[in-house]
Amino acid sequence: DTEVTQTPKHLVMGMTNKKSLKCEQHMGHRAMYWYKQKAKKPPELMFVYSYEKLSINESVPSRFSPECPNSSLLNLHLHALQPEDSALYLCASSEKVGETYEQYFGPGTRLTVT
Amino acid sequence: KQEVTQIPAALSVPEGENLVLNCSFTDSAIYNLQWFRQDPGKGLTSLLLIQSSQREQTSGRLNASLDKSSGRSTLYIAASQPGDSATYLCAVWIDSGYALNFGKGTSLLVTP
Repeated sequence: DTEVTQTPKHLVMGMTNKKSLKCEQHMGHRAMYWYKQKAKKPPELMFVYSYEKLSINESVPSRFSPECPNSSLLNLHLHALQPEDSALYLCASSEKVGETYEQYFGPGTRLTVT
Repeated sequence: KQEVTQIPAALSVPEGENLVLNCSFTDSAIYNLQWFRQDPGKGLTSLLLIQSSQREQTSGRLNASLDKSSGRSTLYIAASQPGDSATYLCAVWIDSGYALNFGKGTSLLVTP
């Protein structure tokens, strides 16, 4: 199974709401990632978790709060978002292939902030 | 910072043509290079991964090459089909090995 799953597929939230995005993989990968992708732009790295610990935070605003409860699950908690945060949020995990890593992506959550 | 450039930004070809997508990167100290396909509004599908020690990888009608010294990779698609229409993204691993740097992609349209 080389699948990364994300829920929900679509999310509409107001600027005062609190919501969470969920990502799951059962490939035994120990690194998991959140990316943000705006329309017609490449994905931008937000966070990296390695062995369930946050290893990289690409200067993401605090209204985005990641959480890694266990090695298979990654959450992104959202609070007081702005309309410009509307985007496709992609989760990924990686495994070692030889001396390098191959990354697998989920289908994404399409977020709209109203 | 590693910069990844993809040329052309958009490409339209008739069905059956062979085509080449180009990717260049500024820092040759990479772990690997990965090509992805993305359909509109969807996630990324990995097509090919080339490790830094490799020169090329093949999968079906796809062939990707890597020239680390010149900072270039090409994705060759043989006998293109309308179903190949998508955005193709090139990405390289930065030295830490924990993140991908993406190019802006090539939007491909294959017309029947």
